[in-house]
Amino acid sequence: EAQVTQNPRYLITVTGKKLTVTCSQNMNHEYMSWYRQDPGLGLRQIYYSMNVEVTDKGDVPEGYKVSRKEKRNFPLILESPSPNQTSLYFCASSFGTSGYEQYFGPGTRLTVT
Amino acid sequence: AQSVTQLDSHVSVSEGTPVLLRCNYSSSYSPSLFWYVQHPNKGLQLLLKYTSAATLVKGINGFEAEFKKSETSFHLTKPSAHMSDAAEYFCVVSDRDTGGFKTIFGAGTRLFVKA
Repeated sequence: EAQVTQNPRYLITVTGKKLTVTCSQNMNHEYMSWYRQDPGLGLRQIYYSMNVEVTDKGDVPEGYKVSRKEKRNFPLILESPSPNQTSLYFCASSFGTSGYEQYFGPGTRLTVT
Repeated sequence: AQSVTQLDSHVSVSEGTPVLLRCNYSSSYSPSLFWYVQHPNKGLQLLLKYTSAATLVKGINGFEAEFKKSETSFHLTKPSAHMSDAAEYFCVVSDRDTGGFKTIFGAGTRLFVKA
């Protein structure tokens, strides 16, 4: 089944404790992206990647890191999480950029205390 | 730089009546425009997309949207609302930006459908 998977689905952590949220897609998509969703703000793009070893900042990259060593994986790293990073995170992938539908993962709900 | 404005944060309709969810955008280049739907505690699903072909775009579940370049609008409509349409709807623009390619979501419109 074609899908985008994220792990973990739920995470509660403490301020400053490094964490990684994994994202994997099995559709051979070139483009992958991370978003955070907060009430009243919609989804905001954190980072995106147009291909292996190519990543770029979205609108809210501060406090996050990403890497794209393999085409299928695009992990999101929070080196020192803070409470303002408490949010619902979505990973997405698509065949390309212009005009292509993005396929979304199920989301990761992160709480930083 | 791109931006997306969804003009209503909440819309309430009665079952069987028309739905109109409004979206205005700005973009420097030739954007692709999308509408996604998110049902409670679910992920996002594509409703429809515009990519510089026909300006009237038909999507799933009876939804359609019209791209109006002169008005920079991409409003979503449905002739007759169903209870299952109750969800949050996002208007999205994807376009080239300085040094990359970005995706911008509107803040969302929550649709309520009354029996």
